[in-house]
Amino acid sequence: AQTVTQSQPEMSVQEAETVTLSCTYDTSESDYYLFWYKQPPSRQMILVIRQEAYKQQNATENRFSVNFQKAAKSFSLKISDSQLGDAAMYFCAYAGTASKLTFGTGTRLQVTL
Amino acid sequence: NAGVMQNPRHLVRRRGQEARLRCSPMKGHSHVYWYRQLPEEGLKFMVYLQKENIIDESGMPKERFSAEFPKEGPSILRIQQVVRGDSAAYFCASSPSPGAFTDTQYFGPGTRLTVL
Repeated sequence: AQTVTQSQPEMSVQEAETVTLSCTYDTSESDYYLFWYKQPPSRQMILVIRQEAYKQQNATENRFSVNFQKAAKSFSLKISDSQLGDAAMYFCAYAGTASKLTFGTGTRLQVTL
Repeated sequence: NAGVMQNPRHLVRRRGQEARLRCSPMKGHSHVYWYRQLPEEGLKFMVYLQKENIIDESGMPKERFSAEFPKEGPSILRIQQVVRGDSAAYFCASSPSPGAFTDTQYFGPGTRLTVL
C-alpha cells in the first residue's frame, strides 16, 4: 500500500519570503502522479500543483514550484513571495494505478506580516 | 463550467437517523470519488464510482455505509443509523475520463455532518 508522510505539522513564513513544505511517499509503482492541495479555512480543497512521475522536469505554477526527487521519493512544495492568502492547510497526495488519492496528514502554514 | 456540487453543505442528524449526501460531478466528468475528513486529519478515500458501477470500495466501512452513482442524477453517499463517530466532513471529487488515474480530481466544497 502507498503511504504519504508530511513531517511538518505546522510551518510559519513571513510575507514575501519563501517557504518549503516537505512530503515523502512510499510506493512500488513506477507510474503515478503527485499533487499538492490547499485547504483554506473554508475547507474547500484547491489543487495547487501536479507532477507526473515520468517527467524529470519539476512542475511550476506561478509562485508555486516543486522539487521532485523520484529516487528519494520526495516531493516538496516551494512557495515564493508568500502572501497572506497562502495561509492554509497543505496536503500532499499520491495517485497511482488504483486512481484513488492517498493523502498525507497535512501541514498548517501561517503567514505573518 | 460549474464545479463539483455537493449538498447539503451542513447536515445535522441524531444518532440512529440516516444521512444522505449528494454530489453532482463537473460537467463531462464520469468518475466520482468520496473522501472523509475527520477533525484535524487528512482526507481518507472511501469509494470510487462510475455511472452505475462501483469500481473501488476498499475504503468504505463494512456496515451502514453505501454509495451509488445512477445513470441519471447525482452520486449519493448514504449512512444508515449514524453514530457520533460519523461526524466528519465528506468530500466528493470528480475526474473526466477512462484511465482516470492520469486525471486530476476536482473537489466539491464538502458536506459537514454533525451527529448529535
